[in-house]
Amino acid sequence: DSGVTQTPKHLITATGQRVTLRCSPRSGDLSVYWYQQSLDQGLQFLIQYYNGEERAKGNILERFSAQQFPDLHSELNLSSLELGDSALYFCASSVGLSSQETQYFGPGTRLLVL
Amino acid sequence: QKEVEQDPGPLSVPEGAIVSLNCTYSNSAFQYFMWYRQYSRKGPELLMYTYSSGNKEDGRFTAQVDKSSKYISLFIRDSQPSDSATYLCAMGNNAGGTSYGKLTFGQGTILTVHP
Repeated sequence: DSGVTQTPKHLITATGQRVTLRCSPRSGDLSVYWYQQSLDQGLQFLIQYYNGEERAKGNILERFSAQQFPDLHSELNLSSLELGDSALYFCASSVGLSSQETQYFGPGTRLLVL
Repeated sequence: QKEVEQDPGPLSVPEGAIVSLNCTYSNSAFQYFMWYRQYSRKGPELLMYTYSSGNKEDGRFTAQVDKSSKYISLFIRDSQPSDSATYLCAMGNNAGGTSYGKLTFGQGTILTVHP
């Protein structure tokens, strides 16, 4: 158990809908990362927050947004969902900012868009 | 062309075999090199971390980095059925700016070790 929790574990929804994925980092970790894993694209970095502020951004779609709250938990919002958004979404956390820090991954949320 | 290339396999070996997993990369700014292991239906977990060219050993695992060739490897000695998983290489840099904690992953290699 990495200490990172994600809810829900599974999500089934329809095209055009909006969903929110939630992540609680390990105790003491200030950075939260979101990654998307699909068969064709592999594991791709979406966005990083550090102590409430956005710090790094990958190829995150405009339909996707995230935030980190004062208690350090984070939410990833996916809107106007398309079939291609079906994937595993992982949250990870680390103590600091840098990519040399160990990132601890949660169990993931499996999203299926029908 | 992807920044990090990894042969997805699958790779199937008998128990006790030596396994070699490899990644190549194109971005010279990468300074931190990791190997993650991902069991089915689980999140990735860090296996090995290196930041300089050369070898790093941890039990049955050896990570090798050759920055001049932009090539990294993971060797598993005396492989066990419990090593069956997907192995992902990952790389990061310290450029800050828009990169900070961003890791770039390879596609992952699916490994099966048969008893």
